[in-house]
Amino acid sequence: DVVMTQSPLSLPVTLGQPASISCRSSQSLVHNDGNTYLNWFHQRPGQSPRRLLYKVSNRDSGVPDRFSGSGSGTDFTLKISRVEAEDVGVYYCMQGTHWPPATFGQGTKLEIK
Amino acid sequence: EVQLVETGGGLNQPGESLRLSCAASGFNVSSNYMSWVRQAPGKGLEWVSVIYSGGDTFYADSVKGRFTISRDNSKNTLYLQMNSLRAEDTAVYYCAGDGGGYWGQGTLVTVSS
Repeated sequence: DVVMTQSPLSLPVTLGQPASISCRSSQSLVHNDGNTYLNWFHQRPGQSPRRLLYKVSNRDSGVPDRFSGSGSGTDFTLKISRVEAEDVGVYYCMQGTHWPPATFGQGTKLEIK
Repeated sequence: EVQLVETGGGLNQPGESLRLSCAASGFNVSSNYMSWVRQAPGKGLEWVSVIYSGGDTFYADSVKGRFTISRDNSKNTLYLQMNSLRAEDTAVYYCAGDGGGYWGQGTLVTVSS
């Protein structure tokens, strides 16, 4: 199974400042069809996960443009240009290239300083 | 508007069985691949099972042989039959569709003697 490793696991950020989360996979996430199935999810406390980005950098409907994704192969990054209070919670990367099984990163907990 | 509503969770003893349901509206369960994802208390996300539109099913090693995913197209509902429950199956179970684009609110399964 593909192992997804996120860093940092804890991310204190000042409101209005940028934030960045790294996600690395144990093997390339480039699919035979040429796509890279790397998704990012956000889970607020007590809520269900919500997908933010799919295929590395495509924002889901309603996701603010302060969220962006980048990367290729085995290294990926989620960036928040200016953190807002509603961004607190846990962020997960997930690969869908070599599935089943889909595999998630351990999660990165973002909190406001 | 898409809604996925899970039901069926509860307190069970080890070895017992339970069936979870995920009723969908605004979304066609039969023409999309549907997954179950679980989250143990205080832990990260773990993919459990998927059913493809063509009917193929796959399972995480941790539940293979004990859990069965299925759907009822006439009811637009996804199911997870859980047999031989173990303490380590204790988690909130989410159904998810469209590659994680849609999630239910989750249902808590507790396995304890």
